[in-house]
Amino acid sequence: DTAVSQTPKYLVTQMGNDKSIKCEQNLGHDTMYWYKQDSKKFLKIMFSYNNKELIINETVPNRFSPKSPDKAHLNLHINSLELGDSAVYFCASSQGANYNEQFFGPGTRLTVL
Amino acid sequence: DQQVKQNSPSLSVQEGRISILNCDYTNSMFDYFLWYKKYPAEGPTFLISISSIKDKNEDGRFTVFLNKSAKHLSLHIVPSQPGDSAVYFCAAQDSNYQLIWGAGTKLIIKP
Repeated sequence: DTAVSQTPKYLVTQMGNDKSIKCEQNLGHDTMYWYKQDSKKFLKIMFSYNNKELIINETVPNRFSPKSPDKAHLNLHINSLELGDSAVYFCASSQGANYNEQFFGPGTRLTVL
Repeated sequence: DQQVKQNSPSLSVQEGRISILNCDYTNSMFDYFLWYKKYPAEGPTFLISISSIKDKNEDGRFTVFLNKSAKHLSLHIVPSQPGDSAVYFCAAQDSNYQLIWGAGTKLIIKP
């Protein structure tokens, strides 16, 4: 009964491929996030959805497209993967957009070869 | 430009002693600060937070101090335990309720 779950945990793929990472939260939260942890270990916000509506969209290539079928799910689809996309991607959720305590998933380590 | 800086990539402390992790920020408009703890292969977990209107918040062995004039906060862990070995992230909330993160400090508790 993991609060925030992500699949897969590891993803190894070739350049140019399209892949998806799924995220689900069972906390009843309204807001979900995608973060990228880069090689320097900084966590950088990519997207935030509140009740299935996009509220934060940082400067991210449009090859990255989030999809929120319902407020418990926020999936990340990446087209035409590049070497620089290799990173750990974290999904998180919070009670609402104005709630600063965020609950994180275990991360997905993406390796693009 | 990093708005939240954790200048020590790692810190080693003897079990039972005090661990002090530091964090500096540049944006005086940040109004809320949080510390997260992260074990390998897991996501960060919330530890403790402090509002900008306070200068101290305590929760068990964990105390966070905020010095607004110096734009500095610190996390004190007393006494340090082996299970405290982890990476600690400092994060600041901006006016859009977005969290800005530091790069983390790896804390190693020696027996």
